[in-house]
Amino acid sequence: DGGITQSPKYLFRKEGQNVTLSCEQNLNHDAMYWYRQDPGQGLRLIYYSQIVNDFQKGDIAEGYSVSREKKESFPLTVTSAQKNPTAFYLCASSGRQGRGNQPQHFGDGTRLSIL
Amino acid sequence: RKEVEQDPGPFNVPEGATVAFNCTYSNSASQSFFWYRQDCRKEPKLLMSVYSSGNEDGRFTAQLNRASQYISLLIRDSKLSDSATYLCVVAFGGGNKLTFGTGTQLKVEL
Repeated sequence: DGGITQSPKYLFRKEGQNVTLSCEQNLNHDAMYWYRQDPGQGLRLIYYSQIVNDFQKGDIAEGYSVSREKKESFPLTVTSAQKNPTAFYLCASSGRQGRGNQPQHFGDGTRLSIL
Repeated sequence: RKEVEQDPGPFNVPEGATVAFNCTYSNSASQSFFWYRQDCRKEPKLLMSVYSSGNEDGRFTAQLNRASQYISLLIRDSKLSDSATYLCVVAFGGGNKLTFGTGTQLKVEL
């Protein structure tokens, strides 16, 4: 089945530790995105990538880093500089833009908590 | 002013009722519009795109009013399984960046 796979489903971070969230897609989508969702709030864009080896900061990139070495993969690292990392992290992908913006399709998310 | 605004609800409706949600957006240059559905503690799932002429998918109808900068979602014959949070999503320009509203919660009751 085609889709987006995020792992792990739950992750706990110790203070001062970097953690990496995995996102893999087999939809042959060019663009991939990382969002964070806090209770009662909308999704906020962290980073996005429209093509391999290229990525841009979203609205809340501080304390996060990404890489896009393969089309299928877009891992997100939550660094120790991110002081409030507890949230629901969602990865998404979308096809090539045509006449309009393409809808994004989401993985089932990773819940990150502080130990 | 928020870029995308929605009434958070909750909207509590009996099964079989018709319910409508509105969403307003601030950027008149917005190009694309979507409704997503999000169940509790799950990922958002695309419900439908919203086209300028309005569009329907079964019990769901979406409308776009560019002059007033709002989109709407109408759900007819509500089912218990329609209970969820409905997210209004707007794309402002290139790069396929989407801006999400905070969602409207719907609870369909017996």
